[in-house]
Amino acid sequence: TQLLEQSPQFLSIQEGENLTVYCNSSSVFSSLQWYRQEPGEGPVLLVTVVTGGEVKKLKRLTFQFGDARKDSSLHITAAQPGDTGLYLCAGGAYNTDKLIFGTGTRLQVFP
Amino acid sequence: DVKVTQSSRYLVKRTGEKVFLECVQDMDHENMFWYRQDPGLGLRLIYFSYDVKMKEKGDIPEGYSVSREKKERFSLILESASTNQTSMYLCASSLAGGVETQYFGPGTRLLVL
Repeated sequence: TQLLEQSPQFLSIQEGENLTVYCNSSSVFSSLQWYRQEPGEGPVLLVTVVTGGEVKKLKRLTFQFGDARKDSSLHITAAQPGDTGLYLCAGGAYNTDKLIFGTGTRLQVFP
Repeated sequence: DVKVTQSSRYLVKRTGEKVFLECVQDMDHENMFWYRQDPGLGLRLIYFSYDVKMKEKGDIPEGYSVSREKKERFSLILESASTNQTSMYLCASSLAGGVETQYFGPGTRLLVL
């Protein structure tokens, strides 16, 4: 069974701080997606990366897919209270439309 | 605008009851998914359907069954609810063909007493 471990599990920071969330596996994935889930809602896609070593930026968020396609990171610069939520990475398996979701990182940003 | 709806936001059931959770998508997506979400475990796939009447077991299918009679509707059935099925249940849909976005409903929080 493919597993995706995220770290840290919880993160509580002040507005303006930087942070990095890690998503690691021993398995190789065809793609890697990051979702954010707010209370009372389902997860919403932030980004998809498909090439080993790829880096994508979405305003203050930077996503990287590892060269070996086994890991990914999400870096947030100058966090804001609106970034609060549960961040989930999800790996795409080869030859299937299914995703393997990570264990999640719950981020709280205080004003 | 993309929309996935789930029949209930909250449900309270007794042990042994049969429970139906319904999910409807309006995007003509081929794929539909049922996940269970528990703290520290992320989302775990219960069942996946890639076409009408077609289904595939996920990682934790025990105690659950599914039905997909129409393309837009995917039902999750707990034949005899147990307390260890207390959880948040999320439905999602996506286009077929690889690297596609999954669109989620708001979830159903189920409490089994």
